[in-house]
Amino acid sequence: KAGVTQTPRYLIKTRGQQVTLSCSPISGHRSVSWYQQTPGQGLQFLFEYFSETQRNKGNFPGRFSGRQFSNSRSEMNVSTLELGDSALYLCASSLGLPSYGYTFGSGTRLTVV
Amino acid sequence: AQTVTQSQPEMSVQEAETVTLSCTYDTSESDYYLFWYKQPPSRQMILVIRQEAYKQQNATENRFSVNFQKAAKSFSLKISDSQLGDAAMYFCAYTDSGGGADGLTFGKGTHLIIQP
Repeated sequence: KAGVTQTPRYLIKTRGQQVTLSCSPISGHRSVSWYQQTPGQGLQFLFEYFSETQRNKGNFPGRFSGRQFSNSRSEMNVSTLELGDSALYLCASSLGLPSYGYTFGSGTRLTVV
Repeated sequence: AQTVTQSQPEMSVQEAETVTLSCTYDTSESDYYLFWYKQPPSRQMILVIRQEAYKQQNATENRFSVNFQKAAKSFSLKISDSQLGDAAMYFCAYTDSGGGADGLTFGKGTHLIIQP
């Protein structure tokens, strides 16, 4: 069974640009959650998508957005990048309830210069 | 809002010894889930063990076990017979039974060093 795939692994962008990250969940999983990991703030929840609908959202500005496609693949977009957006972005795949657990990908390391 | 606290930024243990990582949390919910995740340098978060709050019995997975004290809101991880491959960052995480409006809430992590 293939795991959670995140692409790209590394990304370097310039301040002011926008970026799109991709996450392909485990086959059959309908929930995808996104997290931002930084040394200062630790792991913070961005949002969760379930069956193409945003189900929950963390406390991030509107520059952070996402979507989910009918095959459950998800993308997150960050517009008008700031230096502080440099982070490891992790996605987690799930059947939709915590009792099933969450499986994480290896993340996308975003550096904003 | 729920909070998760890991008071030990770093722990060191000799190979083959036992180590316990601490985690406390704060919630007003009665039904929730607690997790320990391991993050090696490869960056992928790997589930170590999961505990359902309504289950009194402590979860166990091979060399990994937890001491879940619901009244004290404590959820410590015990690693027995430590191996070099156990070296990693360990994160304690919480979510309520519905999956949580806040997703998983993580602690700041404990860096575990295994001394050969």
